[in-house]
Amino acid sequence: AQRVTQPEKLLSVFKGAPVELKCNYSYSGSPELFWYVQYSRQRLQLLLRHISRESIKGFTADLNKGETSFHLKKPFAQEEDSAMYYCALSTFNNAGNMLTFGGGTRLMVKP
Amino acid sequence: DARVTQTPRHKVTEMGQEVTMRCQPILGHNTVFWYRQTMMQGLELLAYFRNRAPLDDSGMPKDRFSAEMPDATLATLKIQPSEPRDSAVYFCASGPEAGGYTIEQFFGPGTRLTVL
Repeated sequence: AQRVTQPEKLLSVFKGAPVELKCNYSYSGSPELFWYVQYSRQRLQLLLRHISRESIKGFTADLNKGETSFHLKKPFAQEEDSAMYYCALSTFNNAGNMLTFGGGTRLMVKP
Repeated sequence: DARVTQTPRHKVTEMGQEVTMRCQPILGHNTVFWYRQTMMQGLELLAYFRNRAPLDDSGMPKDRFSAEMPDATLATLKIQPSEPRDSAVYFCASGPEAGGYTIEQFFGPGTRLTVL
């Protein structure tokens, strides 16, 4: 069965410090991974997807199939990056296509 | 700017009462998802609809939870009877599907449920 693991429930860094939010997955098929973000008092929204290979708000994430990881990185954290981050794996089964989310990591960027 | 809407935003009820949560997906999206968010479990998928047909509700406690889509503009999630352990934030999401693949899920603001 598919699974997404985010080992850190809380990550606290100072402004300007590098940040890495870890995500590991297990899936027998070809993985497609996403990062979703939920800012305070806002709805969950897509941050980036691995197939786009894009940088959004300074964040990047590289799919490493050998390590089954999709860590989210930013070289210099900003206070406005404080939010809840969810890693998600897109999977297919008899029911169709759906997302399996990790447990989430709360990022706190201190001034 | 089309958005998924959910009502009510907050609900406090007593154990044993029926709770109905509503979701209006974005017009044109043919997939709808219900999730439950808790501190301990994160985001759990409860139910999944495509073209109003339920495809997967394996994540939902069948004895007390039910999910329906009476029409393309309304999805409902009911809990009867509610229990304190059901206290959580319930999210609805919708997405356009192409070739059996949901390109992106757009989330509603959630319903924060407290069962006393």
